[in-house]
Amino acid sequence: RKEVEQDPGPFNVPEGATVAFNCTYSNSASQSFFWYRQDCRKEPKLLMSVYSSGNEDGRFTAQLNRASQYISLLIRDSKLSDSATYLCVVNGGNFNKFYFGSGTKLNVKP
Amino acid sequence: NAGVMQNPRHLVRRRGQEARLRCSPMKGHSHVYWYRQLPEEGLKFMVYLQKENIIDESGMPKERFSAEFPKEGPSILRIQQVVRGDSAAYFCASSPQGPTNTGELFFGEGSRLTVL
Repeated sequence: RKEVEQDPGPFNVPEGATVAFNCTYSNSASQSFFWYRQDCRKEPKLLMSVYSSGNEDGRFTAQLNRASQYISLLIRDSKLSDSATYLCVVNGGNFNKFYFGSGTKLNVKP
Repeated sequence: NAGVMQNPRHLVRRRGQEARLRCSPMKGHSHVYWYRQLPEEGLKFMVYLQKENIIDESGMPKERFSAEFPKEGPSILRIQQVVRGDSAAYFCASSPQGPTNTGELFFGEGSRLTVL
């Protein structure tokens, strides 16, 4: 079983739509969770960390469900510039080992 | 530029040659990670190093691949006798040590290897 699993998509949505991605992880001892964004042929960049209580940054909301071992990312009022691949990243119990999901591709259309 | 520096950005090799990819972590970072990304796929963990130590190489192919992070100088990912299947983007990331580690990885722009 993979450490981190994501739906690869693509998710094709119109501008202004709300879209949600989920990600599941296998190691119940995982301590830290992140969403990264990767544009085509670019390096991944941190979008936001995911805290146990859930957290919001503008149009982006991240939530963690430890009991079910999944994290989610909600994007409201999608913009064309949100088109990218979103990577779920989990720290595998050892604070310095990170596991990446294969990414969910989002295409926001005009 | 205080970010993670990778070079070369693009490297072309013929089958059987050697490829050396270099990574200088951010200033103050002592943890380096190498990831490989095949076209249209996610990042695959290869190796995690600290200065002069390989901490976890569970993602490294058993043959032809090696990595080091010497006391002085950049981390190097070495691929011997390259084959076409080694064509990929190789990303290096770094993180700081100790209590300043927020868990965030800082990535370089990647080295794109093409094997002819």
